[in-house]
Amino acid sequence: DSGVTQTPKHLITATGQRVTLRCSPRSGDLSVYWYQQSLDQGLQFLIQYYNGEERAKGNILERFSAQQFPDLHSELNLSSLELGDSALYFCASSTWTGGATDTQYFGPGTRLTVL
Amino acid sequence: GENVEQHPSTLSVQEGDSAVIKCTYSDSASNYFPWYKQELGKGPQLIIDIRSNVGEKKDQRIAVTLNKTAKHFSLHITETQPEDSAVYFCAAPGARQLTFGSGTQLTVLP
Repeated sequence: DSGVTQTPKHLITATGQRVTLRCSPRSGDLSVYWYQQSLDQGLQFLIQYYNGEERAKGNILERFSAQQFPDLHSELNLSSLELGDSALYFCASSTWTGGATDTQYFGPGTRLTVL
Repeated sequence: GENVEQHPSTLSVQEGDSAVIKCTYSDSASNYFPWYKQELGKGPQLIIDIRSNVGEKKDQRIAVTLNKTAKHFSLHITETQPEDSAVYFCAAPGARQLTFGSGTQLTVLP
């Protein structure tokens, strides 16, 4: 158990809908990262937050947005969903000292299925 | 940005044999190289990492070697067991984010 929690575990929705994925980081970690893992694909970095502020952005679609709240939990919002958005979405957390060399601990993921 | 290539994409070994997975990276400034194990239906779990001030690091049956000149690093698993079967990912840091390899599906045959 990494200490990172994600809810829900599974989510099934229809095209065009909007969903929110939630992540709580490990105790003491101030940084949260979101990744997308499609079938047979590696881990694609989406976005990073540190103490409430966006710090790095990867291949995140404009239909997707995220935020980190004062209690450090983070939410990833996916809107106007398409079939191709079906994937595993992982959250990771770290202490973050700047750059990309901090150890990241991953949550169990949310499996999103868009029908 | 950083580019990470991982080989092989699939690897089958007999129980008790060794397994080696290799990754190459493009950014010579990279100095941190983690390896993650992902079991079916679970999130990636960090199993070992190495920083560029050392050339090798071991943890029981797992070791990672780093060749900064050639810009490659490898994961070595000795005395493989069925529970080692999983997907393994390497990663290297870019300017602001980790870049992951495409993964290796390791199958340990009993």
